[in-house]
Amino acid sequence: QVQLQESGPGLVKPSQTLSLTCTVSGGSINSGSYYWNWIRQSAGKGLEWVGRVFISGSTNYKPSLESRVTISLDTSKNQFSLTLDSVTAADTAIYYCARDTSGWEYFDSWGQGILVTVSS
Amino acid sequence: EVVVTQSPVTMSVSPGEGATLSCRASQSVNSNFAWYQQKPGQAPRLLIYAASTRATGVPARFRGSGSETEFTLTISGLQSEDSAVYFCQQYHNWPTTFGHGTRLEIK
Repeated sequence: QVQLQESGPGLVKPSQTLSLTCTVSGGSINSGSYYWNWIRQSAGKGLEWVGRVFISGSTNYKPSLESRVTISLDTSKNQFSLTLDSVTAADTAIYYCARDTSGWEYFDSWGQGILVTVSS
Repeated sequence: EVVVTQSPVTMSVSPGEGATLSCRASQSVNSNFAWYQQKPGQAPRLLIYAASTRATGVPARFRGSGSETEFTLTISGLQSEDSAVYFCQQYHNWPTTFGHGTRLEIK
């Protein structure tokens, strides 16, 4: 059974870059036709899909975040990563990594989430 | 973006009873609709996809229905462990969007 685990700093200063990693265990990140996603949850905006990466390395991002977001794969480490540039307090949220096995953008496996606070 | 509106915001139901949770999409999403359960301190758990298909391991007392713009999650024979926030999601129109949740309390 696949497991996902987020890691990274819990505090980021305004205008800096948020960087998170999701480590996948119990299966290869390369197996199947899976999409690997980042989703965030905040009190103000609720659940918000951020973006995804396919095993080919192709990516899709939420349009309102696209100018600041990069998601990438590291198959050698069985990980995928999120970077979000020029963060503000509005980016404060619990960030989840999640798997989509169907390509239809519903999410059948999630990490436990990591709280990232943007504050000076 | 498609706006997904959930109702009610909160509900309180006695054990053994049933609960009906609703979602409305601002435009048709066919049957490309999912439901999730989230307990405190945990990630959401997929319950239903394709409007009515239960995810692996989900008990049969969770039933999803609906299409186009109106969707319902019905939970029968409520148990204390069903106390959670339930979210719905449309994935027909890109980008996918979620409702803001219904908090279900078991009395």
